[in-house]
Amino acid sequence: EAGVAQSPRYKIIEKRQSVAFWCNPISGHATLYWYQQILGQGPKLLIQFQNNGVVDDSQLPKDRFSAERLKGVDSTLKIQPAKLEDSAVYLCASSKGLIVAGYNEQFFGPGTRLTVL
Amino acid sequence: AQSVTQPDIHITVSEGASLELRCNYSYGATPYLFWYVQSPGQGLQLLLKYFSGDTLVQGIKGFEAEFKRSQSSFNLRKPSVHWSDAAEYFCAVDPGTASKLTFGTGTRLQVTL
Repeated sequence: EAGVAQSPRYKIIEKRQSVAFWCNPISGHATLYWYQQILGQGPKLLIQFQNNGVVDDSQLPKDRFSAERLKGVDSTLKIQPAKLEDSAVYLCASSKGLIVAGYNEQFFGPGTRLTVL
Repeated sequence: AQSVTQPDIHITVSEGASLELRCNYSYGATPYLFWYVQSPGQGLQLLLKYFSGDTLVQGIKGFEAEFKRSQSSFNLRKPSVHWSDAAEYFCAVDPGTASKLTFGTGTRLQVTL
């Protein structure tokens, strides 16, 4: 079974530019997560989707960050415009079941390392 | 709000020595508890989890963790460390209601030969 795929793996941009990250979850997984991991910190949840609906985006900086999960499969996270403090690794994870069904193990992709200059 | 504390930022052990990584959590009830490992350039891999029941849980790669309710701790242990265990280790909690993880800041493990 293929794991969670993310691209690109690395991205370097200048501040005020825009950038997009792509995630393809494990086939059949209903729930998808985006995390931001700043150097020296643990991952922080940005947004959680169940199928193509947003469950929680309370920690997403909505003035510059946006995310979508069209058709309930793959997802895109966008930053526009980027700031220096957005330099981080962006991790995508997916889990199989629906949230109401209880705990579902999250499987993580390798991440996209973003450097904003 | 729930929080997770990993007091050790960096630990160095010799190969073959025992290991204990500390984790304390702050939450009203007993949450679901997890340990993840992250190797350079890799995503997070689940080592083990605790939901309820036996307070000593076994995981992959020879790791185990013990839940202590009185201390709000969930420490990770391994009797004999291998050089390939060098990585960053994260403790995480989930209140169990919405499958959302809150991570600690991580402990970087270095293994000397």
